[in-house]
Amino acid sequence: QQPVQSPQAVILREGEDAVINCSSSKALYSVHWYRQKHGEAPVFLMILLKGGEQKGHEKISASFNEKKQQSSLYLTASQLSYSGTYFCGTPENAGNMLTFGGGTRLMVKP
Amino acid sequence: NAGVTQTPKFRVLKTGQSMTLLCAQDMNHEYMYWYRQDPGMGLRLIHYSVGEGTTAKGEVPDGYNVSRLKKQNFLLGLESAAPSQTSVYFCASSRLAGAINEQFFGPGTRLTVL
Repeated sequence: QQPVQSPQAVILREGEDAVINCSSSKALYSVHWYRQKHGEAPVFLMILLKGGEQKGHEKISASFNEKKQQSSLYLTASQLSYSGTYFCGTPENAGNMLTFGGGTRLMVKP
Repeated sequence: NAGVTQTPKFRVLKTGQSMTLLCAQDMNHEYMYWYRQDPGMGLRLIHYSVGEGTTAKGEVPDGYNVSRLKKQNFLLGLESAAPSQTSVYFCASSRLAGAINEQFFGPGTRLTVL
């Protein structure tokens, strides 16, 4: 079942903060976050695993609440380069493929 | 390293025509995936492969076939294209299981079926 992302879209000024949420009706093994700029391929941001481990290489933080079956992506002091569509992806277990949410479109204005 | 490459970048087909999309990766990844992305929507998994010679159905496999004869290549075939298959197709690969490993995406193929 597809995870649900909120909000669907957000507009920020440079330097402002944003939070993007990803919720699932099923228990989560991990949550993945990707960013896609217009006309380009999705690019990996981070993976959050059960137990608190995080894997990522971007200066973006996220949380994973296993009990609530949701994850939040925190974009602080946003830059113009943060603009794009953010997708979360969730598997049901280690062997499952990812199911992606519908995306959150983020626009950062000068 | 080129990463993940896709051929062609654009294609226009008439209803009923067939075509093959090629995906190649040079990272020695075991897992490969084909997704489709429709306007304003997320990525939906069509088929995937967990290793050379193996394939499996994803969320939306109808109307597509795949093959993974070589570890580095993953082919997506449309036997009889329909307008509903108009979409952007992305190939991706990961070192191991997608649930715990980063996926690397190709640049995409924009397909229009008239």
